Amino acid sequence: GQQVMQIPQYQHVQEGEDFTTYCNSSTTLSNIQWYKQRPGGHPVFLIQLVKSGEVKKQKRLTFQFGEAKKNSSLHITATQTTDVGTYFCALGLIQGAQKLVFGQGTRLTINP
Amino acid sequence: DVKVTQSSRYLVKRTGEKVFLECVQDMDHENMFWYRQDPGLGLRLIYFSYDVKMKEKGDIPEGYSVSREKKERFSLILESASTNQTSMYLCASSLRQYLRKYEQYFGPGTRLTVT
Repeated sequence: GQQVMQIPQYQHVQEGEDFTTYCNSSTTLSNIQWYKQRPGGHPVFLIQLVKSGEVKKQKRLTFQFGEAKKNSSLHITATQTTDVGTYFCALGLIQGAQKLVFGQGTRLTINP
Repeated sequence: DVKVTQSSRYLVKRTGEKVFLECVQDMDHENMFWYRQDPGLGLRLIYFSYDVKMKEKGDIPEGYSVSREKKERFSLILESASTNQTSMYLCASSLRQYLRKYEQYFGPGTRLTVT
């Protein structure tokens, strides 16, 4: 079946430090999405990447899709306490892109 | 705004009971999904549905069934609950694929404990 590896599993940073989570797929993807889940909350859609090599920015968040469409990263610049939560990548497969395969998630905690 | 609601936030059931988890979405989405979320394992797909009365197995369908009699409602059924089904259950919905907008909208989740 589809293999997805998301690292790291946990990350603790000082407020103001940068943070990056990585997602790797064993196969070429149709698209990749990123979700954020606040503590006690449910996953909320952040962004979708479709094109090879695509880079998208949302304020302090930068999302990249690899050239081979098999990996992606989420980078947060100068973290704030509001960034606390678990970040999931979700793989849209070429066959049946409506069904997502979620990564294990990276839990981000921040020391104020 | 899309709204996905789930019938209960917390549920406690006994081993062997039949359990129904209900999910309703109000945005006329074609696709609906049931996941379970366990620490360190992310979200794992149990079942999904592309249309009314249509269902497909996800990655972990054993011990579960689903029903979709109306477009807005997708039910997850545990035929005979077991302790290893204690988990957080999340429902989600999304538009049909041809629109190339695959993002899923999640409900608040149901934390089920089976004793």
